[in-house]
Amino acid sequence: AQTVTQSQPEMSVQEAETVTLSCTYDTSESDYYLFWYKQPPSRQMILVIRQEAYKQQNATENRFSVNFQKAAKSFSLKISDSQLGDAAMYFCAYKHPLHYGGATNKLIFGTGTLLAVQP
Amino acid sequence: DTGVSQDPRHKITKRGQNVTFRCDPISEHNRLYWYRQTLGQGPEFLTYFQNEAQLEKSRLLSDRFSAERPKGSFSTLEIQRTEQGDSAMYLCASSPPLGTLLHNEQFFGPGTRLTVL
Repeated sequence: AQTVTQSQPEMSVQEAETVTLSCTYDTSESDYYLFWYKQPPSRQMILVIRQEAYKQQNATENRFSVNFQKAAKSFSLKISDSQLGDAAMYFCAYKHPLHYGGATNKLIFGTGTLLAVQP
Repeated sequence: DTGVSQDPRHKITKRGQNVTFRCDPISEHNRLYWYRQTLGQGPEFLTYFQNEAQLEKSRLLSDRFSAERPKGSFSTLEIQRTEQGDSAMYLCASSPPLGTLLHNEQFFGPGTRLTVL
């Protein structure tokens, strides 16, 4: 069974600085998707960034980028120029692609990292 | 607002009572998911619908839980004979049809927070 591990329960960063959140996962599959979701105190889950496993290039979305190391099964999130609005719980998630035989469509989440941004 | 909506946002009930939650997905999304999130944990998958068909259920979905999506649009999640361990945030998400640009992504609603006294 696939598992996702986030080993940092809490992280803190100064405003305008850079922070990296760690995520590791376990799977025997070669094709899958990885996601980072943000859950602010209002609790609505928002997609931050996604990575397809077959793509070697790391995904980027404005100030957010990932370091995807497929062999190491590592998927870290880097937030540059941190802003107060980045304060939230961040979840790493894994998913099989839809074409996977007998596919489960579920997202498998880690336990999350609570990010605090200090002014 | 064209996002996923859930109703109610908060529900307080006494142990043993039945509760029902509603989820309205994004209008063109034919796939719908329910997750449960307890304090300090990531969401855990409960069940998945494609149109009106319930195609996947987690072992977490005990016989006290039932989910429906009768017309392939909104969905309901009912919990019978609630227990204190059912206290959690219940999240709904939806995805567009297979073959569309974002079909591997899930868009979440704000959740329904259930407290069982």
